[in-house]
Amino acid sequence: QKEVEQDPGPLSVPEGAIVSLNCTYSNSAFQYFMWYRQYSRKGPELLMYTYSSGNKEDGRFTAQVDKSSKYISLFIRDSQPSDSATYLCAMMRGGADGLTFGKGTHLIIQP
Amino acid sequence: GAVVSQHPSWVICKSGTSVKIECRSLDFQATTMFWYRQFPKQSLMLMATSNEGSKATYEQGVEKDKFLINHASLTLSTLTVTSAHPEDSSFYICSARDPAGGLEQYFGPGTRLTVT
Repeated sequence: QKEVEQDPGPLSVPEGAIVSLNCTYSNSAFQYFMWYRQYSRKGPELLMYTYSSGNKEDGRFTAQVDKSSKYISLFIRDSQPSDSATYLCAMMRGGADGLTFGKGTHLIIQP
Repeated sequence: GAVVSQHPSWVICKSGTSVKIECRSLDFQATTMFWYRQFPKQSLMLMATSNEGSKATYEQGVEKDKFLINHASLTLSTLTVTSAHPEDSSFYICSARDPAGGLEQYFGPGTRLTVT
């Protein structure tokens, strides 16, 4: 079993829809949970991060962490074609550690 | 914002040769840099953590004698793939942490290595 599982997609939704992306993980030592967005031929860019369990909202994006279920989610409201990208979940044990990534979900927002 | 560059963006080399990849933080000093590798349809995998002025820490299964990491300054880390073989063909990407920026790691655009 991989440490972090993420469905690679592709996930195709119409513009304006609510998008739900998620990851599961197996290592209970993870404390920091991140979502990155990656466009083609670019490095990943941090969208948001959450420490431990709970919700965090930033504009159209909401991140949720459920440590009891080892499940994290990213919701995108009012999705736009410009949101089309690969979304990677990532996590780490401590603040100084490297990241453990999921495979990334390829998201397509249809105009 | 924090910018990390990598050079080259792609490289083709013959089997048995060595290739060096550079990772630079352009507008901040990075005490810690990370090197990741990504094979097709796989996730980014952490290879090693590089701290300025000290030896790199390698993840389990990564050969430290094959993947030489040097972090000689606060803005530059290099990864040298020695005696490269076709199975080393991959996408290599670095990240750097700005001490003033908290937890965030800033990623370079990556280097595509093809070994023939």
